[in-house]
Amino acid sequence: EADIYQTPRYLVIGTGKKITLECSQTMGHDKMYWYQQDPGMELHLIHYSYGVNSTEKGDLSSESTVSRIRTEHFPLTLESARPSHTSQYLCASSDQPGGAFFGQGTRLTVV
Amino acid sequence: AQSVTQPDIHITVSEGASLELRCNYSYGATPYLFWYVQSPGQGLQLLLKYFSGDTLVQGIKGFEAEFKRSQSSFNLRKPSVHWSDAAEYFCAVGQFGGATNKLIFGTGTLLAVQP
Repeated sequence: EADIYQTPRYLVIGTGKKITLECSQTMGHDKMYWYQQDPGMELHLIHYSYGVNSTEKGDLSSESTVSRIRTEHFPLTLESARPSHTSQYLCASSDQPGGAFFGQGTRLTVV
Repeated sequence: AQSVTQPDIHITVSEGASLELRCNYSYGATPYLFWYVQSPGQGLQLLLKYFSGDTLVQGIKGFEAEFKRSQSSFNLRKPSVHWSDAAEYFCAVGQFGGATNKLIFGTGTLLAVQP
């Protein structure tokens, strides 16, 4: 059973607000990822990390930022939310080329 | 560049019927291939994976997939579909090398199961 948690599951927030999406894993994985998924669409990698103090931008440009101060924690922050940020955000972790474990996702709506 | 194509956006099958979901990949070396399933409002769950060796791999929930290098395919199969299999299925190829460890996903196939 994968132990990777995302909070909140659902978030509706006004334009201009700062938000942080939380992601934690208890498996001790070095590698963590954030994907963005619009309804009925594929997943796009927006951020990844190979370990503490390591963060990289993914294939899809995003205005969000991430940090990795602890192995188990990989939060994603939007400084000023806009309606175009409305999407589902999926966090994942892996320890090797064995596939990734995904959290249940955060569905963000910016109004 | 690596890519994954899932030609079928939406498939409907009857409960008890067999299922095959198609996946084609583009990758320069021996690929790492995965199938994930996503139920509505949920994250992705790994069904099975292929790295090397036997080209027919078994996964959870009665699924299997066959790697065919000559066709650049990794199709997912199930002999008898259950109503609970209705979900979206994603094929992915792993891009691994050095510190790189990323998954590239296809656009997904939405499976509907008729009673």
